Amino acid sequence: QKEVEQNSGPLSVPEGAIASLNCTYSDRVSQSFFWYRQYSGKSPELIMSIYSNGDKEDGRFTAQLNKASQYVSLLIRDSQPSDSATYLCAVKLGANNLFFGTGTRLTVIP
Amino acid sequence: DAGITQSPRHKVTETGTPVTLRCHQTENHRYMYWYRQDPGHGLRLIHYSYGVKDTDKGEVSDGYSVSRSKTEDFLLTLESATSSQTSVYFCAISDSTGGGYTFGSGTRLTVV
Repeated sequence: QKEVEQNSGPLSVPEGAIASLNCTYSDRVSQSFFWYRQYSGKSPELIMSIYSNGDKEDGRFTAQLNKASQYVSLLIRDSQPSDSATYLCAVKLGANNLFFGTGTRLTVIP
Repeated sequence: DAGITQSPRHKVTETGTPVTLRCHQTENHRYMYWYRQDPGHGLRLIHYSYGVKDTDKGEVSDGYSVSRSKTEDFLLTLESATSSQTSVYFCAISDSTGGGYTFGSGTRLTVV
């Protein structure tokens, strides 16, 4: 079983809709969770971090964490074509090991 | 990213040759990492460093070595390149163990 699993997609949503991206992880002791955005041919860019159960909002982005279910999600409200990218879920295991999912490719249709 | 640069950006090399990739940071961050990214596998940790001369292996370290003689530089060496090491290599930095990482622009390496 992979440490971090994401639906590979692709996920398509119309402009203005809510995009929902999901991630599960295997290690119950994980304490740090991150969402990265990666445009084609570019490097990953950190967009959200979350460390405790519940929701964390930053502009149009909301990260949700449920440690009991080992589940972390990212909601993108009012999706824009510029949000079209691959979204990577990452989970910190131990002090120096950030494990990444394979990513979900999101396309926002104008 | 302005605070972290990778060189070269692209490289084509022959099987069996040694290759060194360089990561340079101007952020004075303690932690530095090398990842490779391949379709279907995502980002996988090769090696990391938690200080000058302090390095450790990651998930996919076979065939790779690293060195960190200065805070700002972290070198990744493919001792004898193989076609399976064709990949995009990313360097990342962090100033703490709890936070996220900042990635460099990547090096696309092709081994023929």
